[in-house]
Amino acid sequence: GAGVSQTPSNKVTEKGKYVELRCDPISGHTALYWYRQSLGQGPEFLIYFQGTGAADDSGLPNDRFFAVRPEGSVSTLKIQRTERGDSAVYLCASSFTPLSEQFFGPGTRLTVL
Amino acid sequence: KNQVEQSPQSLIILEGKNCTLQCNYTVSPFSNLRWYKQDTGRGPVSLTIMTFSENTKSNGRYTATLDADTKQSSLHITASQLSDSASYICVVSSNPRGEKLTFGTGTRLTIIP
Repeated sequence: GAGVSQTPSNKVTEKGKYVELRCDPISGHTALYWYRQSLGQGPEFLIYFQGTGAADDSGLPNDRFFAVRPEGSVSTLKIQRTERGDSAVYLCASSFTPLSEQFFGPGTRLTVL
Repeated sequence: KNQVEQSPQSLIILEGKNCTLQCNYTVSPFSNLRWYKQDTGRGPVSLTIMTFSENTKSNGRYTATLDADTKQSSLHITASQLSDSASYICVVSSNPRGEKLTFGTGTRLTIIP
């Protein structure tokens, strides 16, 4: 497709479980970003990849959160031992270069019961 | 701490009327300021991007202004349409190693017929 896609669109899990959220960026975009958006708030930066490497992971809230981008394209955000406070919409964005416009996916709504 | 504050939090106007949304920021260093439109359940979509040297930029019925001295920006919408109902988010980027974005909490705009 032409845009950023994210799967699943919705994920409901139980407290303590492990979840993976996937992001397919626009083809050719070298930069990829993960954000978290809580209800009524603006997105909050989590992590930024340039190619395969995490150039800035200062936004990850704790070590339960981890993200990978092994081949420099698709990225997976992994959350271990989920907590109810992790419930939010997780947005992924990509850009051609770090300085160019970011294009956002529709997000994955995560609900931790 | 980098912050972006927006006002009002919410706004309701009649179709066809104009409105202006405000954004104040304390982000350093400063790379550029963006306004995004976010429809419910969708990812943000960029409306305008302004660098330090630009003080106004238009995109159709949307006109953004930037005063880098006072660290203020506004988004003016003319001749509003029902489809303008959305959240409008002010985003400021600092660029030490890439485009790390700081998002405001947004203004929820509702256009009524």
